[in-house]
Amino acid sequence: AQSVSQHNHHVILSEAASLELGCNYSYGGTVNLFWYVQYPGQHLQLLLKYFSGDPLVKGIKGFEAEFIKSKFSFNLRKPSVQWSDTAEYFCAVNALNNNAGNMLTFGGGTRLMVKP
Amino acid sequence: KAGVTQTPRYLIKTRGQQVTLSCSPISGHRSVSWYQQTPGQGLQFLFEYFSETQRNKGNFPGRFSGRQFSNSRSEMNVSTLELGDSALYLCASSPGPGTEAFFGQGTRLTVV
Repeated sequence: AQSVSQHNHHVILSEAASLELGCNYSYGGTVNLFWYVQYPGQHLQLLLKYFSGDPLVKGIKGFEAEFIKSKFSFNLRKPSVQWSDTAEYFCAVNALNNNAGNMLTFGGGTRLMVKP
Repeated sequence: KAGVTQTPRYLIKTRGQQVTLSCSPISGHRSVSWYQQTPGQGLQFLFEYFSETQRNKGNFPGRFSGRQFSNSRSEMNVSTLELGDSALYLCASSPGPGTEAFFGQGTRLTVV
């Protein structure tokens, strides 16, 4: 069974600081990768996704992520955070086995607080 | 386009009772998945339905079940509720296999 690790549980940054959230997964086969964000009181929203091709993917609100296959990693980055980025961030993996279904394995989440 | 709709938003039930939660996916999406979110265990996959058939199942006891109707709407049922079943239950719909999931607001279940 696959697993996903997010190493930072809580991150506190000042506005304009750069952000990098780590995500590692364990699965030897082909995967689709996602980052979701959950703003306070809101539902989970997709930030960005990686299916194939260019390993550097760009998402909404200035976020990007890089897939490094050799490291089983999919780290999320943003050059300059804003107070409105305060939220919980989840990395998720869909292992593309023979079932070809939609079964996401989530990391434990990272709570980001951005100080104004 | 309307998003994923879950009803009810909040529920309070007593131990031993059963509960049914409902989910209406985004129009055209045939895959519906359910997740449980708790502070201790995080987000855990319950099951996925596609064309009225359960396609994937997570590691939950048989008290947790679900079904999907011909219009892709889905329900999940939890029987013999336990205190530990208190959680936010999230439904997600997807346009195709291996694609992104679009989540609803969730149903907050409290078991007392």
